[in-house]
Amino acid sequence: DVKVTQSSRYLVKRTGEKVFLECVQDMDHENMFWYRQDPGLGLRLIYFSYDVKMKEKGDIPEGYSVSREKKERFSLILESASTNQTSMYLCASSFQGLARADTQYFGPGTRLTVL
Amino acid sequence: DQQVKQNSPSLSVQEGRISILNCDYTNSMFDYFLWYKKYPAEGPTFLISISSIKDKNEDGRFTVFLNKSAKHLSLHIVPSQPGDSAVYFCAASDRGGADGLTFGKGTHLIIQP
Repeated sequence: DVKVTQSSRYLVKRTGEKVFLECVQDMDHENMFWYRQDPGLGLRLIYFSYDVKMKEKGDIPEGYSVSREKKERFSLILESASTNQTSMYLCASSFQGLARADTQYFGPGTRLTVL
Repeated sequence: DQQVKQNSPSLSVQEGRISILNCDYTNSMFDYFLWYKKYPAEGPTFLISISSIKDKNEDGRFTVFLNKSAKHLSLHIVPSQPGDSAVYFCAASDRGGADGLTFGKGTHLIIQP
């Protein structure tokens, strides 16, 4: 069974704080992704990584950075949190099959509130 | 520009009847399609997928149909059960590309008793 875990289910931070969201997967997947989900906007890709120390910008990377020092762990960093970053953050991973677009498995999500 | 569209934000269906969720796409390079189900405060769960070489894939109560000429896919749930109430996301990918999955905005399915 694929397991993707995220460090926190709920997080409350203040504007300007540096925020770390951690994601760990136990299936030896090459690909890892960070999305945010907002009502009426669906899932939007922030960053993804297809290998250790590799990262690619998604559709909305502004205000975020990522780190992938180990294959199983992918961190999302908000350098200076702002209220418009209040959202549900979802981490996903996938096996690198034919391409980088195989079935993705999601973690439970982190509901981040920035005050 | 939205490449994957779910035009119905919500859908209400009576328990026991068929639920049909629709999805349209514009990118002709997409060749792999998935449906995810999401409960509130949880991550999306993979439900079913279909490759473009097929026009139908079935898994228990769930069937996905793909009409490539119309760039349209649909998810059928028969019979609908209360536990099916969730948001359903359609996703698509170009397996030869490097962009991963493109998601629709989701349809909230409500199963009424």
